[in-house]
This record gives sequence, structure tokens and C-alpha cells, in this order.
Amino acid sequence: DGGITQSPKYLFRKEGQNVTLSCEQNLNHDAMYWYRQDPGQGLRLIYYSQIVNDFQKGDIAEGYSVSREKKESFPLTVTSAQKNPTAFYLCASNRGGYNEQFFGPGTRLTVL
Amino acid sequence: GQQVMQIPQYQHVQEGEDFTTYCNSSTTLSNIQWYKQRPGGHPVFLIQLVKSGEVKKQKRLTFQFGEAKKNSSLHITATQTTDVGTYFCAEGGSNYKLTFGKGTLLTVNP
Repeated sequence: DGGITQSPKYLFRKEGQNVTLSCEQNLNHDAMYWYRQDPGQGLRLIYYSQIVNDFQKGDIAEGYSVSREKKESFPLTVTSAQKNPTAFYLCASNRGGYNEQFFGPGTRLTVL
Repeated sequence: GQQVMQIPQYQHVQEGEDFTTYCNSSTTLSNIQWYKQRPGGHPVFLIQLVKSGEVKKQKRLTFQFGEAKKNSSLHITATQTTDVGTYFCAEGGSNYKLTFGKGTLLTVNP
């Protein structure tokens, strides 16, 4: 089955801890994206990568970091510098450009 | 960055009634994509509009792109309970980034 996987579905962390969210795709897509979703706020872009070993900041990159060492993987680290990390995190991928984006099931992060 | 304003924020209808959500911008939009997110789910792509005045249909769903490319709409005819969810428009901006509207949450009373 082709698709995007995100793990875990639910994640709990203590304040001050860094946490890494996983995103893997087997769609052979070049581009990958990370979004944050808060109630009533829609989706906001954190980071995106159009090609392996390259990525760009989105609209709300502060307190987050990413890597793109493999085409299939785009992990997101939520650092302790992120002031309000509790949110629903969605990973997406596409063939690049303005092609439709395919979303993973999301990870709901709660920082206690 | 580019902002797309989406209205209404919420819409509750009786099953069988029509529903419309609007996406507006103060500047010209290069292209518009529409996504649907079921409760507890993830966004799923519905359609992309690129041309001025473009109209596309998918069964009971009709998508329009304004003549000036500053607005777009999604209309659902005779809603069903399966239409429940949040509908997002997203504008394709520079560097192939998508900017999402805040969405319209549709609830349908059976």
C-alpha cells in the first residue's frame, strides 16, 4: 500500500523536552511538508522540503527543526524553545510544485 | 504571507439543504485547491482551480474560481450526512507553498 505514515498517533511529553515526530512516505514524492493545526486556525506551514538534503522555513518555523536525509523521510523535532507545542501535527507530500498534497493521519502532541 | 479569508466559519444545515463556503483574497490568487477534513481525520484533496472563471463539478459539489481570481467557492447541493467535515481552501503561493484558509465546519442534521 502506498501512503504516508506518521507515528505515533498520540504523544505526551513533559515541558522542556525535545520530541521528534516521524513522517515516512512510499509514494516516491519529491516534496514533503509539515503543518500544525490548532482549533479554528486551519493549517499553518512549519517547514517544507522540495528535494532531499534541502528544506525551507514555513510561516511558523520558530522552535522547530527538520532534516531530509532520505527521500522517504522528513522527521520534525519540536524543541523546548517552542512556546506552545501542544497541537495536531500533519505531514504531507506531493510530486512537487502545485500538485495535490497527500496527508498522513497526523500526530496529536500534548505537552504537560 | 498571502492570506485567504474563508467564510462562514461554521454552517449547520438540515440534510437535503444546500451549502456554500467562500474563499476570498485581497490580491490575485495564482491557483486554489480545496480539501476536506472529516472529524478526527486528515485533509483530503478535492480539486484544484487555475483559470479565471473556472467551474468544476464533482457529483453534488461545484467549485468556482472568480473572474478576477480573487475568490473561490465550493457549493454542495442537497447535503448528506457524509458531507460532514471541515472544508479548506488553500492558495498556491510562491515557492510552491500552500496557504490554507481557516476552514468552514459543516454539520448536517439528519
